Amino acid sequence: AQSVTQLGSHVSVSEGALVLLRCNYSSSVPPYLFWYVQYPNQGLQLLLKYTSAATLVKGINGFEAEFKKSETSFHLTKPSAHMSDAAEYFCAVSEGTNFGNEKLTFGTGTRLTIIP
Amino acid sequence: NAGVTQTPKFQVLKTGQSMTLQCAQDMNHEYMSWYRQDPGMGLRLIHYSVGAGITDQGEVPNGYNVSRSTTEDFPLRLLSAAPSQTSVYFCASSYSVQGRPNTEAFFGQGTRLTVV
Repeated sequence: AQSVTQLGSHVSVSEGALVLLRCNYSSSVPPYLFWYVQYPNQGLQLLLKYTSAATLVKGINGFEAEFKKSETSFHLTKPSAHMSDAAEYFCAVSEGTNFGNEKLTFGTGTRLTIIP
Repeated sequence: NAGVTQTPKFQVLKTGQSMTLQCAQDMNHEYMSWYRQDPGMGLRLIHYSVGAGITDQGEVPNGYNVSRSTTEDFPLRLLSAAPSQTSVYFCASSYSVQGRPNTEAFFGQGTRLTVV
């Protein structure tokens, strides 16, 4: 069964500092991995996704993530935090060996706070 | 460009009442899902559908019914509301690429449900 672990339910960084949100996954087959962002009172928006192509994936708003199979990780980074990055971030995994039998499994989320 | 539309946005129910949460998508996506979001638990899959006429249970299906009579619509029915069903509900749709569903999920804005 697939699962996702996000380390740190709350992360605070200063404006202009590096953002690092951690995600580890468990999957019995090569996974697809995703990062979603949720702004207050809104739905989830896709930041970036890994689908077995390049291991370093670039997304919107300056975020990127690196797939490391040996570490079963897919950490999200941004070199310089902006106030508008304050939101909740979810890591998710999708796997499946049978067509039409795949589900998206989410982590519990990390709330990112930006300190002025 | 509507995407995924959920109605209503807010709802208060009394224990024992029934209601239907509506979800419609205009992207001709095969796959549709319902999730509930609770603090500290991320998003959990309630039910999903891989096409019109086909539905299956997710992680937390008890107390909920779904049907998929058309590609566009995927309503979620609460049969007899309970306080434990107080949550934010998200509908999502996705498409397949090379036979891999859920390569990217598009989310609605959510329905905030309170059961008293």
